[in-house]
Amino acid sequence: AQKVTQAQTEISVVEKEDVTLDCVYETRDTTYYLFWYKQPPSGELVFLIRRNSFDEQNEISGRYSWNFQKSTSSFNFTITASQVVDSAVYFCALSEVGDYKLSFGAGTTVTVRA
Amino acid sequence: EPEVTQTPSHQVTQMGQEVILRCVPISNHLYFYWYRQILGQKVEFLVSFYNNEISEKSEIFDDQFSVERPDGSNFTLKIRSTKLEDSAMYFCASSVLQALNEKLFFGSGTQLSVL
Repeated sequence: AQKVTQAQTEISVVEKEDVTLDCVYETRDTTYYLFWYKQPPSGELVFLIRRNSFDEQNEISGRYSWNFQKSTSSFNFTITASQVVDSAVYFCALSEVGDYKLSFGAGTTVTVRA
Repeated sequence: EPEVTQTPSHQVTQMGQEVILRCVPISNHLYFYWYRQILGQKVEFLVSFYNNEISEKSEIFDDQFSVERPDGSNFTLKIRSTKLEDSAMYFCASSVLQALNEKLFFGSGTQLSVL
């Protein structure tokens, strides 16, 4: 069974548009962590954020914001006023108790056109 | 910021050949990992390594795979006899601890092409 589902395969926007990436996860644990990683064209995986299961406060970091809702098992990511440099593949990932490895979603490719 | 370094960035090999992918984790990190990403698919865990032994491995990590920390800085992944389906991007990662909230630092990957 998929632990992390990113239903959107590709999203294409024009610069300055907002874009929201969906992430739905599945776990039986009450303690877990959620992550977002960015994979730019250069290939590396860049950590963006982690969130623990007890902290449902939304977080904003510059143009990035995250909306964590336990009731719907979702951890969505919004890029406000997108820029060409935001073009990348974005991965949502889950870390569960006793299973410290990351379970990644399939990723969403974001293309921002000038 | 310190980074995980992987070499080579691209490796082409013939089916049946042995390959060694190399990684230099961040110097004060204690836990090391290999993940792989087949083209167009999700990133998958292969193996974690701590204190000179494997701490966890996935089903993918069969007898054809091995990992080693030959010295104080390098961490290697060896594929003994490559198959076509081993073609993927291989990511090395490291972390200070192994904990739920631990941030993994990933390298930029080695693209392995098996012909």
